[in-house]
Amino acid sequence: SQTIHQWPATLVQPVGSPLSLECTVEGTSNPNLYWYRQAAGRGLQLLFYSVGIGQISSEVPQNLSASRPQDRQFILSSKKLLLSDSGFYLCAWSVGGGADTQYFGPGTRLTVL
Amino acid sequence: QKEVEQNSGPLSVPEGAIASLNCTYSDRGSQSFFWYRQYSGKSPELIMSIYSNGDKEDGRFTAQLNKASQYVSLLIRDSQPSDSATYLCAVNLYSGNTPLVFGKGTRLSVIA
Repeated sequence: SQTIHQWPATLVQPVGSPLSLECTVEGTSNPNLYWYRQAAGRGLQLLFYSVGIGQISSEVPQNLSASRPQDRQFILSSKKLLLSDSGFYLCAWSVGGGADTQYFGPGTRLTVL
Repeated sequence: QKEVEQNSGPLSVPEGAIASLNCTYSDRGSQSFFWYRQYSGKSPELIMSIYSNGDKEDGRFTAQLNKASQYVSLLIRDSQPSDSATYLCAVNLYSGNTPLVFGKGTRLSVIA
């Protein structure tokens, strides 16, 4: 069966510091991968998605970036965090090639102070 | 702008009642529809998917799809306090290998 991992689970960072969140998927090959952010009391905001290694689509221009160095690894980064970057960051995967059911990881709660 | 709309709630129902959650979407050509449940502080989990007009039942949950009206709903029978959560509707609004579009969710509160 497929499993999706995210770490860290929680993170408290000062404004202006860098960020690296990691997501890995087990039990499947060539998945589609997604990063979402959910601010407190708000809906899901799609940040990035990837249909293959090195292929990243950005949905929202901001100070975040994503990379996919391996087939089942997806990384979300920032060089300098803003207060507005606080939120619940969710990684999700779906079967590649057009199938669309998305499955979410446990999430990372980021607080920027 | 292609959209998925949900009433934010809160929707309050007594324990044992039927909870009805509704969702409308903007693209008549959409083919895939999903309901997710999200408990406070947790990630969304898939409840069910529906692809054809009509009803689809899974335990206490029934999804209903009406493509002509661009409307999908989720019924929860015999609601329990443990059903209290935010319910997210998601639709594949675009063809091909693209992400789902999520509604903002409806918060359900089941009162014991």
